[in-house]
Amino acid sequence: EAQVTQNPRYLITVTGKKLTVTCSQNMNHEYMSWYRQDPGLGLRQIYYSMNVEVTDKGDVPEGYKVSRKEKRNFPLILESPSPNQTSLYFCASSWDYNTGELFFGEGSRLTVL
Amino acid sequence: GQQLNQSPQSMFIQEGEDVSMNCTSSSIFNTWLWYKQDPGEGPVLLIALYKAGELTSNGRLTAQFGITRKDSFLNISASIPSDVGIYFCAARFNNDMRFGAGTRLTVKP
Repeated sequence: EAQVTQNPRYLITVTGKKLTVTCSQNMNHEYMSWYRQDPGLGLRQIYYSMNVEVTDKGDVPEGYKVSRKEKRNFPLILESPSPNQTSLYFCASSWDYNTGELFFGEGSRLTVL
Repeated sequence: GQQLNQSPQSMFIQEGEDVSMNCTSSSIFNTWLWYKQDPGEGPVLLIALYKAGELTSNGRLTAQFGITRKDSFLNISASIPSDVGIYFCAARFNNDMRFGAGTRLTVKP
């Protein structure tokens, strides 16, 4: 089954404790991206990757890091989480970014105390 | 960056009613898309529009890419309970992709 898998789905952590949210897709997509979803703000892009070893900042990259060492994986790293990073995070991938057609994971709800 | 203005923010309708929502922007885009998010799930693509003026249907859903390239609407006919969810518009111009804030739809049986 074609899918984008995120882990963990839910996480409660404390300020400053480094964490990684993993994302993996099995569709051989070149394009992958991370979004955060906050009430009233919709989806805002954090980082995206057009291909392996190619990453770029989205609209809200501050406080986040990413890496793309393999085509299928695109982890999101919070080096020192803060409460304003409490949010619902989505990873997405696409076979052709030019279409704008994204496949989303099920989301990871992160709470930073 | 430029925002997409999506309205209404929420809708409460009776089963069987038709629904209309829209998205506008001050900037032009090459592609308009509509996604639906079920509770506890990620957004799923409903309709993609690639040409100004294009009108596309997917079952009970109909969407149009505005002729000015600055807006799009989504209509749902004869709503059913499983239409409940959040509908997002999205638009793309080159490397820039934007999402609206979403329309939360509630359907009363």
